[in-house]
Amino acid sequence: DAGVTQSPTHLIKTRGQQVTLRCSPKSGHDTVSWYQQALGQGPQFIFQYYEEEERQRGNFPDRFSGHQFPNYSSELNVNALLLGDSALYLCASDRFGQTKEEQYFGPGTRLTVT
Amino acid sequence: GESVGLHLPTLSVQEGDNSIINCAYSNSASDYFIWYKQESGKGPQFIIDIRSNMDKRQGQRVTVLLNKTVKHLSLQIAATQPGDSAVYFCAENIGGGTSYGKLTFGQGTILTVHP
Repeated sequence: DAGVTQSPTHLIKTRGQQVTLRCSPKSGHDTVSWYQQALGQGPQFIFQYYEEEERQRGNFPDRFSGHQFPNYSSELNVNALLLGDSALYLCASDRFGQTKEEQYFGPGTRLTVT
Repeated sequence: GESVGLHLPTLSVQEGDNSIINCAYSNSASDYFIWYKQESGKGPQFIIDIRSNMDKRQGQRVTVLLNKTVKHLSLQIAATQPGDSAVYFCAENIGGGTSYGKLTFGQGTILTVHP
């Protein structure tokens, strides 16, 4: 049973460019959340998708946007990249159900903006 | 506002000792607390969670204690092993329906286990 998968593993972009990161949730999961983890810090919530809609959002500018597809996979898009966007981007999935269940994290995509 | 913080940024223990990692939170509306372990180059791995209506929960070699009076959370690891060396994060969840939704993470504690 594959867990949460993310692609690519590493990415190098230039300031001002745009980037798209991809996530496939764990089998049986229908909810995807994205987090940004700067070096030496805890992950920060960007947003969550369920039923192809953004359900919750953290304190991130509109340059950060996302999408969820009918197969529950998700994309994170970041426009007009800044040096400060360099971080590990984590995707987490779980299942929207009667009780809260464990949220599984993927290995992350390491984004470097130069 | 929401915040989750840790008292100790680093913790060094000898193999076989018990480890205790502490965490303070500020939002009394939080209804779930979760401990994660993150090894180098990997995403956070779920260890254990606890609901706000509980004060203790045990897992395999781990125990989480919740003290709502002082807004304090701790993770106890029994018989710590070198494989337990990692960064440990506490996280709180407020609402979000029946999915975890938004998790607010603390800064993390680096646990180093010496053989």
